[in-house]
Amino acid sequence: DIQMTQSPSSLSASVGDRVTITCQASQDISNYLNWYQQKPGKAPKLLIYDASNLETGVPSRFSGSGSGTDFTFTISSLQPEDIATYYCQQYDNLPTFGPGTKVDIK
Amino acid sequence: QVQLQQSGPGLVKPSQTLSLTCAISGDSVSSNSAAWNWIRQSPSRGLEWLGRTYYRSKWYNDYAVSVKSRITINPDTSKNQFSLQLNSVTPEDTAVYYCARERGSPQYWYFDLWGRGTLVTVSS
Repeated sequence: DIQMTQSPSSLSASVGDRVTITCQASQDISNYLNWYQQKPGKAPKLLIYDASNLETGVPSRFSGSGSGTDFTFTISSLQPEDIATYYCQQYDNLPTFGPGTKVDIK
Repeated sequence: QVQLQQSGPGLVKPSQTLSLTCAISGDSVSSNSAAWNWIRQSPSRGLEWLGRTYYRSKWYNDYAVSVKSRITINPDTSKNQFSLQLNSVTPEDTAVYYCARERGSPQYWYFDLWGRGTLVTVSS
């Protein structure tokens, strides 16, 4: 299995802040990486696919970058509705998810 | 509107079989551009992909190594649904179970549609 790690595991930021989450794969996965947002009691929601492509309907303040083993997810200006846990997921091999990063408001 | 509707018991006894069904509306389990997955989530294991079934001129299955000896995912074309069976469950299998559609292209794949989740507790 390809192992995924994320950092930080949690963060607090103010409304309007730029928020950055990193995801690292245990081996080269090219750009085969997706990002999801999960709010309490809900299923995950796709935000970014193929490392940097914004899913239709997702606000442009969300973005992703990276390739190989190192990836970054950014919220350019944190909004109250962005409070959630964010997960990366690789699909180079059988799918695996990162452990998640919990984002809340300071 | 495409939807996934999950059904199945929320309580299973240890050593028994966990069975869940995911009914598809607005798409087809036989689609050549989708795969139909089961994913679970627990505090101890996080989001864990369990397996999938998909049709590409014939039926295929992929399973996670961690459950490969205990899992079966079957399509049911007559009812346009797919099912999960997990044998010999233990309390470690307690989790929220999701069904999910995986779509994409030859270059990329993603889970774009999820069921609402079913909390399954393994307890006597």
